[in-house]
Amino acid sequence: KAGVTQTPRYLIKTRGQQVTLSCSPISGHRSVSWYQQTPGQGLQFLFEYFSETQRNKGNFPGRFSGRQFSNSRSEMNVSTLELGDSALYLCASSLGVDLNEKLFFGSGTQLSVL
Amino acid sequence: QKEVEQDPGPLSVPEGAIVSLNCTYSNSAFQYFMWYRQYSRKGPELLMYTYSSGNKEDGRFTAQVDKSSKYISLFIRDSQPSDSATYLCAMSGYSGAGSYQLTFGKGTKLSVIP
Repeated sequence: KAGVTQTPRYLIKTRGQQVTLSCSPISGHRSVSWYQQTPGQGLQFLFEYFSETQRNKGNFPGRFSGRQFSNSRSEMNVSTLELGDSALYLCASSLGVDLNEKLFFGSGTQLSVL
Repeated sequence: QKEVEQDPGPLSVPEGAIVSLNCTYSNSAFQYFMWYRQYSRKGPELLMYTYSSGNKEDGRFTAQVDKSSKYISLFIRDSQPSDSATYLCAMSGYSGAGSYQLTFGKGTKLSVIP
């Protein structure tokens, strides 16, 4: 069974640009969560999508948005990039039936904002 | 006070040593407790998943939860160089921000020296 796939693995952008990251969950998983990981703040929850609807949201500004497609694939968008957005962005999938289910993470997209 | 506190280390031990990793938390709403292992340039991988207070053992790994003290531990017996990674504790429940999410500690970087 293929794991969670994130593309691209690495991305370099400049301030003010926007970026879209992609996540393909494990087959059969309907929930996709996004996390930002930085050395200073650790792993922070961005949002969770289930059946194309945002079900939970963390405490990030509106520049961070996401969506989920009917095949459960998800994209995350960051507009007007800031230097502080440089981070590893991780996507995790689960079946989505129980909020306490185990999450399976992808390898992440390393975003550098110059 | 952060919801989850974890000593970032780094922690360096000789091969064969017993390793003890710990987290404390303040949010009584946390119900499930997990330990993830993260190798460099990879996403977190679920290691242990527990619900009730007490011990859970899986091979060389033992997870311990004390809900009354809001304290969780991970013990690694007979540590191996392949155990060298960052270990993250995580807890699920309603966060202080009001969303249902997985809240992570910042991680402890472990090095096992041959």
